[in-house]
Amino acid sequence: AQKVTQAQTEISVVEKEDVTLDCVYETRDTTYYLFWYKQPPSGELVFLIRRNSFDEQNEISGRYSWNFQKSTSSFNFTITASQVVDSAVYFCALSGGNTGKLIFGQGTTLQVKP
Amino acid sequence: DAGVTQSPTHLIKTRGQQVTLRCSPKSGHDTVSWYQQALGQGPQFIFQYYEEEERQRGNFPDRFSGHQFPNYSSELNVNALLLGDSALYLCASGTDERWQYFGPGTRLLVL
Repeated sequence: AQKVTQAQTEISVVEKEDVTLDCVYETRDTTYYLFWYKQPPSGELVFLIRRNSFDEQNEISGRYSWNFQKSTSSFNFTITASQVVDSAVYFCALSGGNTGKLIFGQGTTLQVKP
Repeated sequence: DAGVTQSPTHLIKTRGQQVTLRCSPKSGHDTVSWYQQALGQGPQFIFQYYEEEERQRGNFPDRFSGHQFPNYSSELNVNALLLGDSALYLCASGTDERWQYFGPGTRLLVL
């Protein structure tokens, strides 16, 4: 069975702090894809990153970085120097093989206070 | 280039009624997926359409049905609405199952 676990339900930080959102996944597929989405209060899911199972290279995009470790089945997301506009719910998701569906975690609500 | 669009944005229905939600995919995308997101939860996969056929289905009852048109737009139909069907319904489009871009969603309230 496939599963995504985001153990942190809510995180609150002060602006300019660094924050890491954890994501642990389970799958028996050898080929799979991992995603992070941001959901602001408006409700739309905003695509942040996709990573395939054969590419463990970490990625940095501006203040965002992602750490993918197959050995621990984790795909963690770090925001450096957080800003109030980063406040949202963040979802980690898994798509295994050719199933055509995303399995989402429960989400982590990030609140960045000024 | 318009992204994924959905209509209506909000909808209120009563138990037992039927509802149809609509989705237009991003230009160039031929695959449409539907998700249900209950309050405080992550989205749950309902089904996916490709070439006007349902290609994959999640764990949802037959009350949930869909359709894809030749222009790749899609509809989600829910019959015999239950209170528990109240949720945000999200449509996603992509060129294959590995890329999914989401629309703004339709908020359905069943009274």
